[in-house]
Amino acid sequence: NAGVTQTPKFRVLKTGQSMTLLCAQDMNHEYMYWYRQDPGMGLRLIHYSVGEGTTAKGEVPDGYNVSRLKKQNFLLGLESAAPSQTSVYFCASSYWTGRTDTQYFGPGTRLTVL
Amino acid sequence: AQSVTQLDSHVSVSEGTPVLLRCNYSSSYSPSLFWYVQHPNKGLQLLLKYTSAATLVKGINGFEAEFKKSETSFHLTKPSAHMSDAAEYFCVVSSGSARQLTFGSGTQLTVLP
Repeated sequence: NAGVTQTPKFRVLKTGQSMTLLCAQDMNHEYMYWYRQDPGMGLRLIHYSVGEGTTAKGEVPDGYNVSRLKKQNFLLGLESAAPSQTSVYFCASSYWTGRTDTQYFGPGTRLTVL
Repeated sequence: AQSVTQLDSHVSVSEGTPVLLRCNYSSSYSPSLFWYVQHPNKGLQLLLKYTSAATLVKGINGFEAEFKKSETSFHLTKPSAHMSDAAEYFCVVSSGSARQLTFGSGTQLTVLP
């Protein structure tokens, strides 16, 4: 099992450019999440999905869109990048048994917007 | 609503001495609680989790945490620090139907030789 993988690992964008970050998991998890990590702030939830074809907003969704067309993939899009979106982005997936769950994280994507 | 407060942004210990990283939480539901560790430029690794079973939870690498409902605390401890423990540690609470995680702001652990 590869677990949770993220593509790309690094990216530099100019203000106004667009890009898509790909998250893939091979654990058949229903739930998937996108977070951003900024210095001194821990991780903050951007969007999440509780199953194929469903998405929902998290704590900081503005400026981002997501899609979950396949169960194993969760895409995060930036339509018009801004310097405030410079951050490290983490994807995670989990399953909920009704008693317990654990989120498994990808290695992260470091994005710089100039 | 749920929240997590990590009471120390930085903790420094000498190698071989005990480690205590403090965490307080609030949650409207019966929460699950986690500690994750992040080494420099790496992803997050689960250290341990509490899910309403035993209140004393043992994790990897000798870490453990005790859930105290009356104090709404979930402090992380280790009897003897190792140089490889130097990293950032996050206390995390999970609750609600979508199992959303709320992260604390992190505690940077430094281990001195």
